[in-house]
Amino acid sequence: SQTIHQWPATLVQPVGSPLSLECTVEGTSNPNLYWYRQAAGRGLQLLFYSVGIGQISSEVPQNLSASRPQDRQFILSSKKLLLSDSGFYLCAWTFDGDGGYTFGSGTRLTVV
Amino acid sequence: KQEVTQIPAALSVPEGENLVLNCSFTDSAIYNLQWFRQDPGKGLTSLLLIQSSQREQTSGRLNASLDKSSGRSTLYIAASQPGDSATYLCAVRPGNQFYFGTGTSLTVIP
Repeated sequence: SQTIHQWPATLVQPVGSPLSLECTVEGTSNPNLYWYRQAAGRGLQLLFYSVGIGQISSEVPQNLSASRPQDRQFILSSKKLLLSDSGFYLCAWTFDGDGGYTFGSGTRLTVV
Repeated sequence: KQEVTQIPAALSVPEGENLVLNCSFTDSAIYNLQWFRQDPGKGLTSLLLIQSSQREQTSGRLNASLDKSSGRSTLYIAASQPGDSATYLCAVRPGNQFYFGTGTSLTVIP
């Protein structure tokens, strides 16, 4: 069966520091991968998605970036965090076509 | 662009009551619709996935229906329990992306 792993679970980082969040999927190949952010009390905001290695689509211009160095690995990065980057970051995967989403357990990021 | 609306935004019911959550979307050209549950501070748990060719899906006390032509879905929860308290989100998939509603916050009072 397929599983999705996301880490770390919580992170407290100072303003201006770098960020790297990792997401990996097991038990499948060539998944579509997604990064979402959920600010406190707000809805889900799609940040990036990828349909294949090296293919990244950005939905929101910001100081975050994403990379997909391997088929089942998706990384969210920032060179310098802002206070506004605080939030709950969720990774998700699905099959191309009519598959449903499966989400990871999320990373709670607090920028101080 | 697809827009997804969930009504009501919040709902409070006594334990044991049957309830219906509503989801509407503006573009009927979708592959599927998915209902999720989110507990405070947690990730999203998939409840039901309805393909565009289906009318409904059932899992235990949950039943989700889909009327693609009218752009509507409902999530029916039978015999609600305090453990059902959570935020419920619906999402539609017209392509590589899913579009989410803002959710319904459900509180079941013991």
